[in-house]
Amino acid sequence: EAEVAQSPRYKITEKSQAVAFWCDPISGHATLYWYRQILGQGPELLVQFQDESVVDDSQLPKDRFSAERLKGVDSTLKIQPAELGDSAMYLCASSLAGADIQYFGAGTRLSVL
Amino acid sequence: GENVEQHPSTLSVQEGDSAVIKCTYSDSASNYFPWYKQELGKRPQLIIDIRSNVGEKKDQRIAVTLNKTAKHFSLHITETQPEDSAVYFCAASLAYGNKLVFGAGTILRVKS
Repeated sequence: EAEVAQSPRYKITEKSQAVAFWCDPISGHATLYWYRQILGQGPELLVQFQDESVVDDSQLPKDRFSAERLKGVDSTLKIQPAELGDSAMYLCASSLAGADIQYFGAGTRLSVL
Repeated sequence: GENVEQHPSTLSVQEGDSAVIKCTYSDSASNYFPWYKQELGKRPQLIIDIRSNVGEKKDQRIAVTLNKTAKHFSLHITETQPEDSAVYFCAASLAYGNKLVFGAGTILRVKS
């Protein structure tokens, strides 16, 4: 069964450093989502792509976060500089274009020290 | 924007008993309501979903009910088993391909 791939699984960094997360969606899925899940809470959308275009980045802290999906396939989420409050699980999900069901990756757990 | 509230935050049941988790949503335009199960350290997995044109959906021991008038939906798990222990999240979405707005999650513990 095809799955959404994410790497790394865990990342420890110091505040003010730069970090990057990678996501490879299920083949053929045009829509890609990045969610942030703080411990004890539900995931919250950071950014949504349709192919290579950003559809929704209203909750993305654009002063420090950036996301790209240059060829409309895999995607990278970057934080620079990282802050203590960025410690969370970063989940990537994908879906077929125009479809409801979203499939999640295993996530990247970020710890900022 | 949409807001989803989920209750209870923790739920303990004896093996074989039923478990019910409830969610309310704020935007009457929402029309898709999935439930995800997340085991410790693993990815959220879709266990059941319902669309606004349906009042109830069942899949073996799991069922979801939707009350559009009251803007709430519930997850029902019957004959609970220890492997049902996990965190369960409800979510709501406005339309096809739109973002999911999640509840805060319910920790379900099934005691054997």
